[in-house]
Amino acid sequence: RKEVEQDPGPFNVPEGATVAFNCTYSNSASQSFFWYRQDCRKEPKLLMSVYSSGNEDGRFTAQLNRASQYISLLIRDSKLSDSATYLCVVGYALNFGKGTSLLVTP
Amino acid sequence: DAGVIQSPRHEVTEMGQEVTLRCKPISGHNSLFWYRQTMMRGLELLIYFNNNVPIDDSGMPEDRFSAKMPNASFSTLKIQPSEPRDSAVYFCASGPDGINYEQYFGPGTRLTVT
Repeated sequence: RKEVEQDPGPFNVPEGATVAFNCTYSNSASQSFFWYRQDCRKEPKLLMSVYSSGNEDGRFTAQLNRASQYISLLIRDSKLSDSATYLCVVGYALNFGKGTSLLVTP
Repeated sequence: DAGVIQSPRHEVTEMGQEVTLRCKPISGHNSLFWYRQTMMRGLELLIYFNNNVPIDDSGMPEDRFSAKMPNASFSTLKIQPSEPRDSAVYFCASGPDGINYEQYFGPGTRLTVT
């Protein structure tokens, strides 16, 4: 079983829609969780850390569910500029998921 | 502030040649990471240094790969001899302190081995 799994997508959504991604992990000892964004042919950039109590940054909300071992990212009022690949990262062994591709269309 | 700096940005070489990739981490960061990204395998951690000491090199594919960090402001990843299957984008990232903290990536080196 892979340590970190993400639905690769692509998720095609219209501008203004709400979209959510999940990322499951297998190592229950993991202590840190992050979401990164990667644009085509660019480096990954930190989007947000994921805290146990959940956290929000503008239109983005991250949640952690330790019991079911997954993290989620919710994007509200999606913009064209949100089109990218979103990578979840689970600490401990620095496992990156392969990413979920999001395309926001006009 | 300068981010992570990598050089070269692109490298094309022939099979069997030695390739050296360079990285300058963000000043003050204690941790440095080398990754490789391909379409097939995604982003893979190759090696991780903390305070210039290699902590985990279990991701280094084989003896052809070696990495050094002689000081806090410089690291190299060397492939000798290179093979076509090494073609990938190699990222260097640095972070404040260890694997449980955020990382900041350099722009990557796109390596093509023919």
